[in-house]
Amino acid sequence: AQSVTQLDSQVPVFEEAPVELRCNYSSSVSVYLFWYVQYPNQGLQLLLKYLSGSTLVKGINGFEAEFNKSQTSFHLRKPSVHISDTAEYFCAVSGAGSYQLTFGKGTKLSVIP
Amino acid sequence: NAGVTQTPKFQVLKTGQSMTLQCAQDMNHNSMYWYRQDPGMGLRLIYYSASEGTTDKGEVPNGYNVSRLNKREFSLRLESAAPSQTSVYFCASSDSSPVAPSFGPGTRLLVL
Repeated sequence: AQSVTQLDSQVPVFEEAPVELRCNYSSSVSVYLFWYVQYPNQGLQLLLKYLSGSTLVKGINGFEAEFNKSQTSFHLRKPSVHISDTAEYFCAVSGAGSYQLTFGKGTKLSVIP
Repeated sequence: NAGVTQTPKFQVLKTGQSMTLQCAQDMNHNSMYWYRQDPGMGLRLIYYSASEGTTDKGEVPNGYNVSRLNKREFSLRLESAAPSQTSVYFCASSDSSPVAPSFGPGTRLLVL
């Protein structure tokens, strides 16, 4: 079984500042890792995914994440945030061959003008 | 392409009433899922269907039933609604493992 811990429930950040949203996972098998974004009153949209290969993954809207197997982390970063990045972000993990995606509890990013 | 569509968008039920949430996808995906989202809890898997003709329980299946009607459609039924089932319900679909589901817009359900 897998589990995901998002270390911050809320992150306020000023516009144009960098941001890092932290995610740690636990699993006894090889994993696939994902970040989703949810804008208010909408469904979830895939930002990026790590399946294999390069540990630095680039996604949409200027976000990137780095897979660190030794620290079992998959932190999401953006060098300069915009007001439009205000949303809730979910880290998720699935085991190899599994159909079950386990989500973290989410991090609410608030971008302050 | 509409992607994943869900009906209804909103619903208010009284305790004990039943209802079916409908979901359809037009991406020819094999796998479909039902999640519920509660504040501070993230998303939790209720049921999934890896392929047409199969369904399996997820993390929180109690109080729910599902039907994979065909490759496109996957419905979720509440036989006797309870206030604890007040939530936002998301349907999703994916091509295969590794899963990266595409989500629908959600159904907001209030059980009084």
